[in-house]
Formats: sequence, structure tokens, C-alpha cells
Amino acid sequence: DAGVTQSPTHLIKTRGQQVTLRCSPKSGHDTVSWYQQALGQGPQFIFQYYEEEERQRGNFPDRFSGHQFPNYSSELNVNALLLGDSALYLCASSPRGRVYGYTFGSGTRLTVV
Amino acid sequence: LAKTTQPISMDSYEGQEVNITCSHNNIATNDYITWYQQFPSQGPRFIIQGYKTKVTNEVASLFIPADRKSSTLSLPRVSLSDTAVYYCLVGDDPQAGTALIFGKGTTLSVSS
Repeated sequence: DAGVTQSPTHLIKTRGQQVTLRCSPKSGHDTVSWYQQALGQGPQFIFQYYEEEERQRGNFPDRFSGHQFPNYSSELNVNALLLGDSALYLCASSPRGRVYGYTFGSGTRLTVV
Repeated sequence: LAKTTQPISMDSYEGQEVNITCSHNNIATNDYITWYQQFPSQGPRFIIQGYKTKVTNEVASLFIPADRKSSTLSLPRVSLSDTAVYYCLVGDDPQAGTALIFGKGTTLSVSS
């Protein structure tokens, strides 16, 4: 049973560019959340998608947007990249209505130069 | 969501029991306590979750006193592979889909 799959694993972009990261949730999970983790910090919540709609959002600017598809997979888009956007981007999936924990992917390492 | 405080780092040796305490003075009545483990360049992994008293699984135990203002993650007989960052989270039951709020965690270093 595949867990959460994220692509690509690594990415290098130039300031001002746009990037799209992808996530396939664990089988049976219908909710996808995105997190940003800077070096030495804990993951910071970006937003959560359920039934193809953004349900919750953390303190991130509108440059960060997302989408969830009918098959529950999700994309994270970041526009006008800044050097400070360099981080590990984590996707977590969960089954709505279940108690125990989220399943995280291994993340996408984004470097902005 | 209740704020948590945990030690920045801890050191241990293989075979020892490690206890990591988390303080959450403002925990709400419906809040659960959840611990995650994270290795470098990987996503966090769920370890254990509890509401009160003691919870045990094949990986760890979680002790929660009656006032629920703190909790202790206990790792029995640690090995080198337990070297990781451990996060204590307090919030609503994930059944409600509440976003996870992470602090900086505790970096556990296990030596031989």
C-alpha cells in the first residue's frame, strides 16, 4: 500500500519564477494538507484541501495556492518565488473522520537561487 | 490551539530509556496530545496519541497526568536509529481535520 507520494523530490528555481509541486495521498485518504519546513524549524501549515476545496489556511501569502483533484491528489503552486521560499515542502494526507494521525510524504526540497 | 514547550535537545546512549516531557499549560478540554518523529529529509511520522492517563504502543508510551498540563513521551531502550526530532502537538482530535501546529521539537541524539 503506497503511502503519500510527492514529486519532484528536489527542485531548483530562480527568484521570480513559479513552481508547482504535486502530491498523491495515501490510499483511502481524502484530505490533503501542505506544510513548509525551513531548515531547523518545525513544519508550518500552509493550507488543507478536502472535497476539492481549501478548508483551512495558515499564515501564508496569496502567492501560495493549491488545488485538489477528484482523485484526491493535490498541487501546491507558488508564484513570484523569493529566496525565503527555499524549504522542504511536505504533503500530509488523512482520512476525514478517523482519529489517528496524518501520513506525511518525504517532501520536495525547493531551492530558490 | 494550546502552545507547547519541550526541550530543544537531549542526549542519550543506546539501551537507555528516554523520557521527553512536553508542557502545555493551556490545553483545552477537547484537545488531544500527539507526538511525531522526524528524520532528516523525511516527513514527520506519527508515533502516539493520547487524551489522558497512559497510552502504550509497540514504539512508545505516553504518560499524561490528571491535570493534562504536561505529557511525557517514553522511548524504551533507544537505539542509534532513534536519533531524530520529536514533536509534541496539542490540538483538536484530527477527526475534525484540524491543522497540525508544530513547534521546533526536541532533537534526540543517541550515541553508542
